[in-house]
Amino acid sequence: RKEVEQDPGPFNVPEGATVAFNCTYSNSASQSFFWYRQDCRKEPKLLMSVYSSGNEDGRFTAQLNRASQYISLLIRDSKLSDSATYLCVVNKGGSYIPTFGRGTSLIVHP
Amino acid sequence: DGGITQSPKYLFRKEGQNVTLSCEQNLNHDAMYWYRQDPGQGLRLIYYSQIVNDFQKGDIAEGYSVSREKKESFPLTVTSAQKNPTAFYLCASSKIRGTNEKLFFGSGTQLSVL
Repeated sequence: RKEVEQDPGPFNVPEGATVAFNCTYSNSASQSFFWYRQDCRKEPKLLMSVYSSGNEDGRFTAQLNRASQYISLLIRDSKLSDSATYLCVVNKGGSYIPTFGRGTSLIVHP
Repeated sequence: DGGITQSPKYLFRKEGQNVTLSCEQNLNHDAMYWYRQDPGQGLRLIYYSQIVNDFQKGDIAEGYSVSREKKESFPLTVTSAQKNPTAFYLCASSKIRGTNEKLFFGSGTQLSVL
């Protein structure tokens, strides 16, 4: 089993839709969790850190479920500009080594 | 402005040639990382360093070498032993003290084989 797994998609949704991505991780000792956004052939940029209590930033909501070892990202009211690849990142417990999922591709169409 | 600078943006390698990718940061971060990304794939860790003069292999270190002589600099050499070097290379840095060690990335280097 891969350390961090994501459904690669693509998720093809109309503008205004709500879309959710999940990411599962295998190391129960993992401590830190993040969602990054990557546009084609660009560097990833931090979208959100994911906290145990869940967190929200505008149209974006991230959740952590430690019991089931997954994190989620919810995007409400999708915009054309949300089209990108969303990368899940999990830091290996105790060692601060970031491990990436392969990313989920989102395409928002008019 | 603080940040990470990678150079060059594009690099071409001939058969049997070693090439070096530069990565410099002025964020005073302890940790630096090199990742490789192939089309449609996620980032795979090549090497990382959490302190000057020390570095560790990541998941795909074969055919690569690094050095960390200064806190600010973490160059990556792609050696002739790396038979499939064409990829997008990303350098990153982070703090490692405390929690929430988010990564800061350079803008990447696209390496191609002639």
